[in-house]
Amino acid sequence: AQSVTQPDIHITVSEGASLELRCNYSYGATPYLFWYVQSPGQGLQLLLKYFSGDTLVQGIKGFEAEFKRSQSSFNLRKPSVHWSDAAEYFCAVPYYISNFGNEKLTFGTGTRLTIIP
Amino acid sequence: DAMVIQNPRYQVTQFGKPVTLSCSQTLNHNVMYWYQQKSSQAPKLLFHYYDKDFNNEADTPDNFQSRRPNTSFCFLDIRSPGLGDAAMYLCATSRERLGDRRTYEQYFGPGTRLTVT
Repeated sequence: AQSVTQPDIHITVSEGASLELRCNYSYGATPYLFWYVQSPGQGLQLLLKYFSGDTLVQGIKGFEAEFKRSQSSFNLRKPSVHWSDAAEYFCAVPYYISNFGNEKLTFGTGTRLTIIP
Repeated sequence: DAMVIQNPRYQVTQFGKPVTLSCSQTLNHNVMYWYQQKSSQAPKLLFHYYDKDFNNEADTPDNFQSRRPNTSFCFLDIRSPGLGDAAMYLCATSRERLGDRRTYEQYFGPGTRLTVT
């Protein structure tokens, strides 16, 4: 089954510094991959998604992610973080349930991002 | 704005006392999901509805039930809450999977935080 791994549980970055959050996938074919963000006490918001084509995907809030097949990775990046980016970030992979005609999402364990002044 | 609404945002219940969480949506999506998210963990899918068809995850305890009286509303019933059921409960919706998977996305509500005393 498809799965994603987020190796970093917690990352601390200074405001204005660049950010990279790691996500590794386990899937033979080209996966579809998502990044979601969850602010404290809130639901999840989709940042961006990758299906095929261009390996560099642009998302909301200035985020981008790059799909690298050779490394089985889909890392999330931002050139300059803001204090409001402090949140939990989840990588996710959808998988199709053929007998149900629908998709489900499997999430990674998440990376908590702390921003220091 | 079209959205996913969860009520209440915070719910306190006593050990063993049944509780119902509510989710409504104005997106007119035919798929609705319920997730359980414990502290510092990824959301875990409990079950979902595709229209009126109910799909339970294999490891969802019998203590958790769901109802979907119409397209807009979905309820999560916990028949006898235990201390281990304290968590954030997230509702999400999506359109059914169509021919093009690139259209697939789940939209999340803000969640209900359940405390069991």
